[in-house]
Amino acid sequence: KAGVTQTPRYLIKTRGQQVTLSCSPISGHRSVSWYQQTPGQGLQFLFEYFSETQRNKGNFPGRFSGRQFSNSRSEMNVSTLELGDSALYLCASSLDGVGGGSYEQYFGPGTRLTVT
Amino acid sequence: GQNIDQPTEMTATEGAIVQINCTYQTSGFNGLFWYQQHAGEAPTFLSYNVLDGLEEKGRFSSFLSRSKGYSYLLLKELQMKDSASYLCAVRDFAHDYKLSFGAGTTVTVRA
Repeated sequence: KAGVTQTPRYLIKTRGQQVTLSCSPISGHRSVSWYQQTPGQGLQFLFEYFSETQRNKGNFPGRFSGRQFSNSRSEMNVSTLELGDSALYLCASSLDGVGGGSYEQYFGPGTRLTVT
Repeated sequence: GQNIDQPTEMTATEGAIVQINCTYQTSGFNGLFWYQQHAGEAPTFLSYNVLDGLEEKGRFSSFLSRSKGYSYLLLKELQMKDSASYLCAVRDFAHDYKLSFGAGTTVTVRA
């Protein structure tokens, strides 16, 4: 079956703008998590959505937000972009993250965001 | 939250064995994952440990000791294609089963 897809793959924005990234999980997966990856900080958890509800949130400012639709597709939005937001944004889907189990996350290819 | 430590870089020769250590501190351990990430690509799942002991999967094995907050990933019969970053990740039920990642260990395999 098809893997996790993310659009767009590359994006260049200027400071102060906003951006919306999209993620389509593997069919049947209801949990979608978002991560920011930078060379200095590694993979940092942004938030997780399950059945259209934000179930978990990392330590990022309110400029970072997301949502999930009834078909499990998810979007994340970053408003008032800063230079430090330049990063690879990864989306990962899993069957279910709650309750443990080997519910490994499957990652999409990521969106490379550059803020100038 | 969790503190997850792993070495930054390791170098080994083709055909050799390399062991990547990961130590963690967590208040509600609920599983440890290893991921492989090639440069410019997304992480891919390698292994999962929730009980103490060794899990073997072909050339890759992962070990866990919960009492020591310690895991390692063992890569045997190294191949050039194993050159990648290896990420240790811990799930914590005390933080809503959130998955936290270490900074990753870059393994370089030399001929």
